[in-house]
Amino acid sequence: DVKVTQSSRYLVKRTGEKVFLECVQDMDHENMFWYRQDPGLGLRLIYFSYDVKMKEKGDIPEGYSVSREKKERFSLILESASTNQTSMYLCASSFIRERWTDTQYFGPGTRLTVL
Amino acid sequence: EDQVTQSPEALRLQEGESSSLNCSYTVSGLRGLFWYRQDPGKGPEFLFTLYSAGEEKEKERLKATLTKKESFLHITAPKPEDSATYLCAALRGTGRRALTFGSGTRLQVQP
Repeated sequence: DVKVTQSSRYLVKRTGEKVFLECVQDMDHENMFWYRQDPGLGLRLIYFSYDVKMKEKGDIPEGYSVSREKKERFSLILESASTNQTSMYLCASSFIRERWTDTQYFGPGTRLTVL
Repeated sequence: EDQVTQSPEALRLQEGESSSLNCSYTVSGLRGLFWYRQDPGKGPEFLFTLYSAGEEKEKERLKATLTKKESFLHITAPKPEDSATYLCAALRGTGRRALTFGSGTRLQVQP
């Protein structure tokens, strides 16, 4: 079974803090993704990575950065947390088959609250 | 711009009352259409992938179908444990390798 784990289920931080969210997958997937999910807005893509040290911006990258130093690990960084970054953060991974993304498998999510 | 629209936003059914959820999409050269189930406070759980119009897939009480413009998730004789939010997502055939998600249908099945 595919397993995607996220470092925390719940996190509370203060405005201005630097926040690290970590995601690890155990299926040797090339692709990894970070989404945020907000009521009424659905899942929105923040960043994704299709290889170690490679990254591409998604639809809402402002205020975020990412790091992928190892294939199994993808980190999302909030350089200076703000209240509008309070959200559910979801990590996903998939492998490339015939050059295209296959099914994405999601982690359990991190509920981040910024006070 | 890619768009995925799900309807209805919310659906309440009695146990055993069959129904369908709709997902309409506007995606350049669809590569795949995905259905997920999401329970409150949890990550989405993969259900189905459909790749071409006319394709159908089944799992227990769920059946997903695909046309050139929309996908349906049919729920036959639902049970209370089928209560969840059902998400639809589309993958375009060229360019970016990320999914475009709909906002979901929140299903409640009452005993």
